[in-house]
Amino acid sequence: ETGVTQSPTHLIKTRGQQVTLRCSSQSGHNTVSWYQQALGQGPQFIFQYYREEENGRGNFPPRFSGLQFPNYSSELNVNALELDDSALYLCASSLSGYDSPLHFGSGTRLTVT
Amino acid sequence: GENVEQHPSTLSVQEGDSAVIKCTYSDSASNYFPWYKQELGKRPQLIIDIRSNVGEKKDQRIAVTLNKTAKHFSLHITETQPEDSAVYFCAASIQAAGNKLTFGGGTRVLVKP
Repeated sequence: ETGVTQSPTHLIKTRGQQVTLRCSSQSGHNTVSWYQQALGQGPQFIFQYYREEENGRGNFPPRFSGLQFPNYSSELNVNALELDDSALYLCASSLSGYDSPLHFGSGTRLTVT
Repeated sequence: GENVEQHPSTLSVQEGDSAVIKCTYSDSASNYFPWYKQELGKRPQLIIDIRSNVGEKKDQRIAVTLNKTAKHFSLHITETQPEDSAVYFCAASIQAAGNKLTFGGGTRVLVKP
């Protein structure tokens, strides 16, 4: 069974730039969720994708957008990067049930300078 | 929206002692409560979860209790070992919203040998 993989592991960008983060879901999972984890804090829900459609969004501005592909992999795009976007971005795959456990990837550490 | 508060933020215990972490939630519709363990530099991993139709669940040295009336739930680790040192996160979700988790701020547990 292949786990959740994310790329890249680390990324340094300049304020105002755009970034794309990638996630491959665990085999058999049809749902991908993205979370932002600032240093020393709990993960915050950004959005979730189910069958290529956005299925819920947290309190993040529209410059955070995403995609899910037919193979259930996913991308997170952030436009017009701000310093506060510096964080660990975690992708989690799961089945679609409300109590289906999330399986997290190791994350992408984004630093915005 | 849902708000989850977690206490304490740090916890130091002697090896062999018990550790207790408490969380409160705000939305009475929440009905799924997982706990994740995140070791330094690693991905969050599910260690135990509980659903609202159950008051207590145990898995070896780990147990979780839920008080729906008071809207709080707790993680209990008995006979702590050095490998229990990590950051622990509680979370909550509402069935109607699917498995979109609201996390607490985390508890850093240090088990001293």
